[in-house]
Amino acid sequence: KQEVTQIPAALSVPEGENLVLNCSFTDSAIYNLQWFRQDPGKGLTSLLLIQSSQREQTSGRLNASLDKSSGRSTLYIAASQPGDSATYLCAVRQERNRDDKIIFGKGTRLHILP
Amino acid sequence: IAGITQAPTSQILAAGRRMTLRCTQDMRHNAMYWYRQDLGLGLRLIHYSNTAGTTGKGEVPDGYSVSRANTDDFPLTLASAVPSQTSVYFCASSDYLWNNEQFFGPGTRLTVL
Repeated sequence: KQEVTQIPAALSVPEGENLVLNCSFTDSAIYNLQWFRQDPGKGLTSLLLIQSSQREQTSGRLNASLDKSSGRSTLYIAASQPGDSATYLCAVRQERNRDDKIIFGKGTRLHILP
Repeated sequence: IAGITQAPTSQILAAGRRMTLRCTQDMRHNAMYWYRQDLGLGLRLIHYSNTAGTTGKGEVPDGYSVSRANTDDFPLTLASAVPSQTSVYFCASSDYLWNNEQFFGPGTRLTVL
């Protein structure tokens, strides 16, 4: 059964630093992987979607990479800002015709210190 | 309406009562989903729908039912609420099932006493 793990559960870094958030998954037979942001008391906002055939995706200061064979993805945030403080979740979609459908990690709670 | 709306925003409910959480999207997405989010457990899929008229069970479907009478609406019903159903419920949609980015509603905070 697919398991998605995000370590650390929480992270505090000073403003302006570059940082990396990690996501690992146990079954490499995924269709795609998506990174989300969730602000307190709010729903999830999609940040980046990486198809299984892709290695990375970029949007502004965000860069997500995918190493399917090793079961890992990273979300790189450049020049962090206090507005980046939120919980970041990754989610994997299984390949078609598998029992598991979409599995979320529990998230990394990020706090950017002004 | 822009995107996905959910109602109510929050609700306190007595155990044993029936409750329907509403979800409406205006993006003409084929697929819709219901998740619950609990501290320490993350997001878990309850039910999903591939298209109007079809639904499927997710990871934690017991105690919940859904219907998909049309493209836009995907209500979630708790027939007889229990305290373990206290959670934050999120509705989501995507263009096609599992294939594309999912867009989430703002959530419904439900407390069952």
